[in-house]
Amino acid sequence: KQEVTQIPAALSVPEGENLVLNCSFTDSAIYNLQWFRQDPGKGLTSLLLIQSSQREQTSGRLNASLDKSSGRSTLYIAASQPGDSATYLCAPKGASGGSYIPTFGRGTSLIVHP
Amino acid sequence: KAGVTQTPRYLIKTRGQQVTLSCSPISGHRSVSWYQQTPGQGLQFLFEYFSETQRNKGNFPGRFSGRQFSNSRSEMNVSTLELGDSALYLCASSHPDGQVVYEQYFGPGTRLTVT
Repeated sequence: KQEVTQIPAALSVPEGENLVLNCSFTDSAIYNLQWFRQDPGKGLTSLLLIQSSQREQTSGRLNASLDKSSGRSTLYIAASQPGDSATYLCAPKGASGGSYIPTFGRGTSLIVHP
Repeated sequence: KAGVTQTPRYLIKTRGQQVTLSCSPISGHRSVSWYQQTPGQGLQFLFEYFSETQRNKGNFPGRFSGRQFSNSRSEMNVSTLELGDSALYLCASSHPDGQVVYEQYFGPGTRLTVT
């Protein structure tokens, strides 16, 4: 059974800092890994999707890397802004008895102070 | 293009009742997945439908069921509600082909409170 751990669980930083959010997973047989953000009480917004054959993906100030063999992914946020405050979730998608189900971590709760 | 929509957004029910939640995927998407999110268990996969057929199922009791219509809209039903069913229920849709490599797009969720 896939287990996903996200570190740190919470982070509070001043505006402008560069941030690294970590995601580790136990089963490296994944098809892809998706990063999401979730604002309080809201749905999930897709940030980046990395296929298993890729090493990284970039979108604006966000960069996500994937090391499938070691079961790790990192989300890098450059020049953080108060609008980045949210919970960030990673979800590797793997095969489970022939099914393709994403498993979510508990998330990193980020607060960026002005 | 409109995003994933879910109705209702908020719902209050009493123990023992049943509830039906609705999800309309992004136009053209044929895969719809349902998730339950609680503070204690986090985000957990319920089931996925593709072209009106349940393709994947999570580890939830039979009280949780779903279906998908020919226009790809999906409903999930929870019978005999328990207090522990209080949660945010999220729906997600993905690419028309529904292949595993495509990303998921989530709706705003339905907040269910069971009293």
